[in-house]
Amino acid sequence: KNEVEQSPQNLTAQEGEFITINCSYSVGISALHWLQQHPGGGIVSLFMLSSGKKKHGRLIATINIQEKHSSLHITASHPRDSAVYICAVNTGNQFYFGTGTSLTVIP
Amino acid sequence: DAGITQSPRHKVTETGTPVTLRCHQTENHRYMYWYRQDPGHGLRLIHYSYGVKDTDKGEVSDGYSVSRSKTEDFLLTLESATSSQTSVYFCAISTGTGELFFGEGSRLTVL
Repeated sequence: KNEVEQSPQNLTAQEGEFITINCSYSVGISALHWLQQHPGGGIVSLFMLSSGKKKHGRLIATINIQEKHSSLHITASHPRDSAVYICAVNTGNQFYFGTGTSLTVIP
Repeated sequence: DAGITQSPRHKVTETGTPVTLRCHQTENHRYMYWYRQDPGHGLRLIHYSYGVKDTDKGEVSDGYSVSRSKTEDFLLTLESATSSQTSVYFCAISTGTGELFFGEGSRLTVL
């Protein structure tokens, strides 16, 4: 049983499109993280959120604690956004990870 | 960036040999983690540490041991490497405010 489920697993978009990646979780959490991993690269944290919404540039992350659901939105997508996006939840110094969404943005 | 470095970054070894991966942090964070990343599985916890000499097992700990004799260093040891341990290994730290930072990863190939 996966504590964290992401959808879609794979996503291809044209440059400029609005993109949404979804994350659902089944455990109680103190925070949710969105991570980004470029091919062959390391893992960087994009957002940590425990309620509401956060925005950084063209990226927006939202969370609904009652529904145990979070979304990551990318506005005006660009080829450099091509990466794997991973949702992770913190249950109190333990982290559970989704299997990631592989995004390809075509010029 | 939480000043995390992993070494070695790449290693090829043979079945049955011991391997040690090192994770070093510069900021004295208490919680440190070792994960492996494999296609289709995402990140899976091997072991974690909540302080010097305080460690605990994760979901895929069989075949691995860890040690933390100093706050800044968390070592992962494969006592006798097997081909199933071919993977990319990531060290991570969690700060007091719950932020999560990863090392660059160590790619291990066991022949």
